[in-house]
Amino acid sequence: GAVVSQHPSRVICKSGTSVKIECRSLDFQATTMFWYRQFPKQSLMLMATSNEGSKATYEQGVEKDKFLINHASLTLSTLTVTSAHPEDSSFYICSASGTGTYNSPLHFGNGTRLTVT
Amino acid sequence: GEDVEQSLFLSVREGDSSVINCTYTDSSSTYLYWYKQEPGAGLQLLTYIFSNMDMKQDQRLTVLLNKKDKHLSLRIADTQTGDSAIYFCAETPGRDDKIIFGKGTRLHILP
Repeated sequence: GAVVSQHPSRVICKSGTSVKIECRSLDFQATTMFWYRQFPKQSLMLMATSNEGSKATYEQGVEKDKFLINHASLTLSTLTVTSAHPEDSSFYICSASGTGTYNSPLHFGNGTRLTVT
Repeated sequence: GEDVEQSLFLSVREGDSSVINCTYTDSSSTYLYWYKQEPGAGLQLLTYIFSNMDMKQDQRLTVLLNKKDKHLSLRIADTQTGDSAIYFCAETPGRDDKIIFGKGTRLHILP
């Protein structure tokens, strides 16, 4: 079946530094990738939708200059948390949707646990 | 607006059936999903149902959809300790891939 790989699974960084998280679709081309954030014991919050070759669409309240998303190819999207602060500590999950599909089931990466000290 | 509601906790004895319920508000939903999340892991797609169906069965899993009441349920037969996880109900409202999640139901298995 379709697989989405997310890296790294865990990262600890110091306040003020930037962290890049990668999301790859391994056996299909992903025209659309989604980035979610999950706070402890809460549901997933959609942060942004990225389409290959175009600018990401951010949800209301998500700072586009802080959470930089790049979807340079059909198999890779990256989320960069810039100038990270402790309140950015969270679980970030990406998901991907294949080409030529409409409302196909989304496949998720295993998530990245970000801890900002 | 778009909203998905589900109860936060469910405790079930090992071997019994678990039924996790979910309600949603968007009548234009096309697909409805059940995802499983184990501790520290991402989401695993368990099953999904297209909105013109009312039931789908896959091994121990049975999904029931009542479109009139906008109610979705997931039944897990013969619940095992490995079923202990958080189960998220989700929907895709309308013609796009945006997905709306419920807050998740934590399933706890009693010995």
